[in-house]
Amino acid sequence: GAVVSQHPSWVICKSGTSVKIECRSLDFQATTMFWYRQFPKQSLMLMATSNEGSKATYEQGVEKDKFLINHASLTLSTLTVTSAHPEDSSFYICSAFNLAGSSYEQYFGPGTRLTVT
Amino acid sequence: AQRVTQPEKLLSVFKGAPVELKCNYSYSGSPELFWYVQYSRQRLQLLLRHISRESIKGFTADLNKGETSFHLKKPFAQEEDSAMYYCALSTTNFGNEKLTFGTGTRLTIIP
Repeated sequence: GAVVSQHPSWVICKSGTSVKIECRSLDFQATTMFWYRQFPKQSLMLMATSNEGSKATYEQGVEKDKFLINHASLTLSTLTVTSAHPEDSSFYICSAFNLAGSSYEQYFGPGTRLTVT
Repeated sequence: AQRVTQPEKLLSVFKGAPVELKCNYSYSGSPELFWYVQYSRQRLQLLLRHISRESIKGFTADLNKGETSFHLKKPFAQEEDSAMYYCALSTTNFGNEKLTFGTGTRLTIIP
């Protein structure tokens, strides 16, 4: 089946620094990827839709200047948390659509745990 | 705006007993509904979607537009069913639409 990877799987950074998280579709091309955030024992909250070759679409309340998304190729989207603060500590999950065939299934990455100290 | 409600955060069921995880939604159009499952230390994965009308791992779910529900059911629970289950909604069936997730239900099967 289709596989989505994320790197790193976990990261600890100091307050004020920036962190980049990569999301890759390993065996398929994804024109659309999504970035979610999940707080402990809570549901996934969509942050933004990442579109290959164009600007990301952010959900209401998500700061686009703080969470920079780049989708430069059909297999890679990156999320950069700029000037991170402790309240940005969370579990970040990406997903990608495999439009090959007729399943139109969304595949999820394993997530990246960010801890800001 | 669309919304997905899973009223039970935790559900414990004895092995062999029937399981029902509740999901209700609100959306003015015709939604596409999904159930996703997350086993311990694994990533989120699709369990089933209403347009497929299929049974996966013994689970079924029927979309009831009158009651705006999409409850997940299994007649006989197995220990390997213990996991976190999320109900999700998409406003199109073209595949690249964003998902709105419920808060999830943690299912524990008691041996």
